[in-house]
Amino acid sequence: EVQLVESGGGLVKPGGSLRLSCAASGFTFSNYNMNWVRQAPGKGLEWVSSITSGNYIYYADSVRGRFSISRDNAKNSLYLQMNSLGADDTAVYYCARDLLNLNYFDSWGQGTLVTVSS
Amino acid sequence: EIVLTQSPATLSLSPGERATLSCRASQSVGTYLAWYQQKPGQAPRLLISDASNRATGIPARFSGSGSGTDFTLTISSLEPEDFAVYYCQQRSTWPPVTFGGGTKVEIK
Repeated sequence: EVQLVESGGGLVKPGGSLRLSCAASGFTFSNYNMNWVRQAPGKGLEWVSSITSGNYIYYADSVRGRFSISRDNAKNSLYLQMNSLGADDTAVYYCARDLLNLNYFDSWGQGTLVTVSS
Repeated sequence: EIVLTQSPATLSLSPGERATLSCRASQSVGTYLAWYQQKPGQAPRLLISDASNRATGIPARFSGSGSGTDFTLTISSLEPEDFAVYYCQQRSTWPPVTFGGGTKVEIK
């Protein structure tokens, strides 16, 4: 069974940093493109970043230069380093697996809440 | 960036009724469109990919159609567990993928 478990969310002050982690199991992690998708409270879904199985990296314009995605295939883990956080970054952050590396998301974690507030 | 517009924002129906949800793209996305279901407090679940392909384990009452700029998700007969928010997503111009604003299907 595919499992994705996020951690690392919490309350952070504006301008602060946070590192999210996603532990994957039940599939060959290294073969899949992985993604972060976020959802602000009461709002819709927003793609944040992707890292391919070959380590090509992509970001949404809203986070480029502030967020950094990475993966450790030996640990079956995905990460998101978030710097210079602002109130607009407040959201539940989901780790999501690509369906057959087709840029659809077929497995999701339960999400971790990031709250940016003073 | 391709903008996806979903309508209606809210659909009020009774169990057993047919639900028809619309997603319109600001430019052609071919058939590179997916649909997701999200229930309160849960992560989204992939229902349909490439406009009409049901994901693994998705019941046959869910069907997708369309191409270009106009897409439809149909739930043939609503079950109690189908009341949720539905999102469309395009991958035609990745990156970025973009999502629609969602349609809430609520119990009438």
